[in-house]
Amino acid sequence: NAGVMQNPRHLVRRRGQEARLRCSPMKGHSHVYWYRQLPEEGLKFMVYLQKENIIDESGMPKERFSAEFPKEGPSILRIQQVVRGDSAAYFCASSPRTANFYGYTFGSGTRLTVV
Amino acid sequence: QKEVEQNSGPLSVPEGAIASLNCTYSDRGSQSFFWYRQYSGKSPELIMFIYSNGDKEDGRFTAQLNKASQYVSLLIRDSQPSDSATYLCAASNFGNEKLTFGTGTRLTIIP
Repeated sequence: NAGVMQNPRHLVRRRGQEARLRCSPMKGHSHVYWYRQLPEEGLKFMVYLQKENIIDESGMPKERFSAEFPKEGPSILRIQQVVRGDSAAYFCASSPRTANFYGYTFGSGTRLTVV
Repeated sequence: QKEVEQNSGPLSVPEGAIASLNCTYSDRGSQSFFWYRQYSGKSPELIMFIYSNGDKEDGRFTAQLNKASQYVSLLIRDSQPSDSATYLCAASNFGNEKLTFGTGTRLTIIP
């Protein structure tokens, strides 16, 4: 029973390129959360998605960032025209969204380096 | 602004002693609290959650919650070198699975 799968583990992009980060939730989970961790900082919520719906994107930067979770396939976090400040670890978590929330398990993350 | 605050440390504790990690939160709507452990270069790992006032024990770990004081703590008994990591405190509101994290406390267990 695989956990939350993220790929790639490491991604290097030049300034101005696009970065695509993928997250496959745990089996049976239809809710995905994306967090960003800048160097030496805690995790910051970015976006919460259900299949085909963005529920809460209050933590997403207004420009260049977008996220989707299609009916089929993984959730994608897309960063257009990357800048050095986008260098961070991006973590994804999934949830079955039951009545009780006991915390979620994060994927192994994607470490984005912008050069 | 909803915040979760932690002392960034580093906190150094001798092996075998009790490590005490503290966290305060500002949003009185916070209902559930979580402690994650994060080794360098790795993803955060959930070790404890608590939502009722008082203590909750799990092996060498004890989480403590005081909602009146808006204070959460994590005690690690019989500290081991493998406990050396950054510990992240997080809070969520009722019915909401969005977590607000503190910046973490770096713990070093000295052999």
